[in-house]
Amino acid sequence: EPEVTQTPSHQVTQMGQEVILRCVPISNHLYFYWYRQILGQKVEFLVSFYNNEISEKSEIFDDQFSVERPDGSNFTLKIRSTKLEDSAMYFCASSEITDGNTIYFGEGSWLTVV
Amino acid sequence: AQTVTQSQPEMSVQEAETVTLSCTYDTSESDYYLFWYKQPPSRQMILVIRQEAYKQQNATENRFSVNFQKAAKSFSLKISDSQLGDAAMYFCAYPGTYKYIFGTGTRLKVLA
Repeated sequence: EPEVTQTPSHQVTQMGQEVILRCVPISNHLYFYWYRQILGQKVEFLVSFYNNEISEKSEIFDDQFSVERPDGSNFTLKIRSTKLEDSAMYFCASSEITDGNTIYFGEGSWLTVV
Repeated sequence: AQTVTQSQPEMSVQEAETVTLSCTYDTSESDYYLFWYKQPPSRQMILVIRQEAYKQQNATENRFSVNFQKAAKSFSLKISDSQLGDAAMYFCAYPGTYKYIFGTGTRLKVLA
């Protein structure tokens, strides 16, 4: 069964360092998403991406965040200068169409900022 | 604004018994989907079941079923014959435009 894959599964980084989280969405999907879940809290929307541009972003997705689809398969989330409060599980997800179609999540990338 | 509310932070159920997790939502749309996701200790988000609002019949997936009350904007998840592997966080989700809105989750404990 097709699945969304994410790397790395866990990364520890120093505060102020740049981090890139990588995702390979399901191959025929056209909509891509990043969500974040701070430990013990709910899943929060960060950004959605379609047709090589951001469709929507939340207030969390400020200037230190960026997304990119550098080739036909990868979808990346970059955090330019990490802060302690960026420590969270980051989920990539993809779907075929928006507005109701099911989104499929990757297994998540657990980011720890020290 | 579209919102999703889960009012039960934690629920417990005896193994083999039935439990119902509550979810209410708010939307002005008439046609939409609703989802329940399960998050076990591994923290992966796993789709449990989905409901299409224009369908009157409640969705069912094996031991999981929903009670969808469109007028009341209620979307509860019923787990029958609960198993130890059902222990997890359960999130209700409403797919707004370009993003999904999740509730705060219900932690389900299954007692042996």
